[in-house]
Amino acid sequence: DAGVTQSPTHLIKTRGQQVTLRCSPKSGHDTVSWYQQALGQGPQFIFQYYEEEERQRGNFPDRFSGHQFPNYSSELNVNALLLGDSALYLCASSLVEGQEQFFGPGTRLTVL
Amino acid sequence: LAKTTQPISMYSYEGQEVNITCSHNNIATNDYITWYQQFPSQGPRFIIQGYKTKVTNEVASLFIPADRKSSTLSLPRVSLSDTAVYYCLVGVHTGKLIFGQGTTLQVKP
Repeated sequence: DAGVTQSPTHLIKTRGQQVTLRCSPKSGHDTVSWYQQALGQGPQFIFQYYEEEERQRGNFPDRFSGHQFPNYSSELNVNALLLGDSALYLCASSLVEGQEQFFGPGTRLTVL
Repeated sequence: LAKTTQPISMYSYEGQEVNITCSHNNIATNDYITWYQQFPSQGPRFIIQGYKTKVTNEVASLFIPADRKSSTLSLPRVSLSDTAVYYCLVGVHTGKLIFGQGTTLQVKP
């Protein structure tokens, strides 16, 4: 049983570009959350999707948007990239009433 | 969500028991206490969760006093592979998780 998978593993972009990151949840999970982790910091919550709707949102600008598909997989889109968007982006899946969130290995985004 | 305070770093030696204490003075009635472990360049991994008293699993124990304003993660007989960052979180476990800076545990031979 595959856990949470994310693609790509690494990505390099330049300022002003747009990026799409992808996440496949653990089998049977219906809820996907996205987190941003800057170097040396704890993960920061971006948003959570359930039933293809954004259920909760953290303190991130509208440049950060997402989508959840009928098969529960999810995408994170970031527009107009800034240098400060360089980070490890983590996807976590869970059951809507589950006890824990299972994290993927993350996508390392570097903005030059 | 409740803010947590935990030591920035700790060290221990192989085979010893390690206790990491977390303070969460403003914990709400329906908040759970959850601990995650994170290795470099990996996503956090769930260790243990509790609401009150003591919880034990195959990896760790979690001690929560009656007032629930603090909690202690206990790792029995640590090994070098337990070197990681440990995060204490409080909140409703199905919602957003608020991570602090965590405690960097270094296990020495």
